Amino acid sequence: NAGVTQTPKFRILKIGQSMTLQCTQDMNHNYMYWYRQDPGMGLKLIYYSVGAGITDKGEVPNGYNVSRSTTEDFPLRLELAAPSQTSVYFCASSWTGAYGYTFGSGTRLTVV
Amino acid sequence: GQQLNQSPQSMFIQEGEDVSMNCTSSSIFNTWLWYKQDPGEGPVLLIALYKAGELTSNGRLTAQFGITRKDSFLNISASIPSDVGIYFCAGQNSGNTPLVFGKGTRLSVIA
Repeated sequence: NAGVTQTPKFRILKIGQSMTLQCTQDMNHNYMYWYRQDPGMGLKLIYYSVGAGITDKGEVPNGYNVSRSTTEDFPLRLELAAPSQTSVYFCASSWTGAYGYTFGSGTRLTVV
Repeated sequence: GQQLNQSPQSMFIQEGEDVSMNCTSSSIFNTWLWYKQDPGEGPVLLIALYKAGELTSNGRLTAQFGITRKDSFLNISASIPSDVGIYFCAGQNSGNTPLVFGKGTRLSVIA
């Protein structure tokens, strides 16, 4: 059972480039989330989804887009990378949203 | 948005010592959770609390859901080197609302 899988693990982008951070889960969880972690700042919610076809903004959605076409996948898109998007990105999933989340191991992104 | 104040920000302790950290909020939460993050990994759930006043243990870890619903604490007894990491508290209003995380407590254990 793989749990929550994130790819890539590391990536360096140039300012203005675009990329998609992939997240897939094999636990048939309805709820999926994207958080970013900056040093000393905890985890901030970017976007979340309560099921296929449904997405909603979190605390820091600007500069990002998401889609949820299947239960398993919840990709995060950066259209025009900026240095402020340098961070570690975590995807998480939950069966009902009422219990603890299962996190992936993260994607470390640097924008230069 | 809602914020959780977690303290201390960091702590250095000797192996074998007990550790205490806490989390406070200006608003009420119906669920409190504690996570641990090892270096280079995602957070892992340690303890979940669902009822005001609830005291729950998981091995050497004990956590309590404050009676006011605005705070929670986590205690670690007899610390060992593998306790090193960042500990996050998280609060949730209802099952459909995303977790709100504190900024974390970085724990270092000196052997």
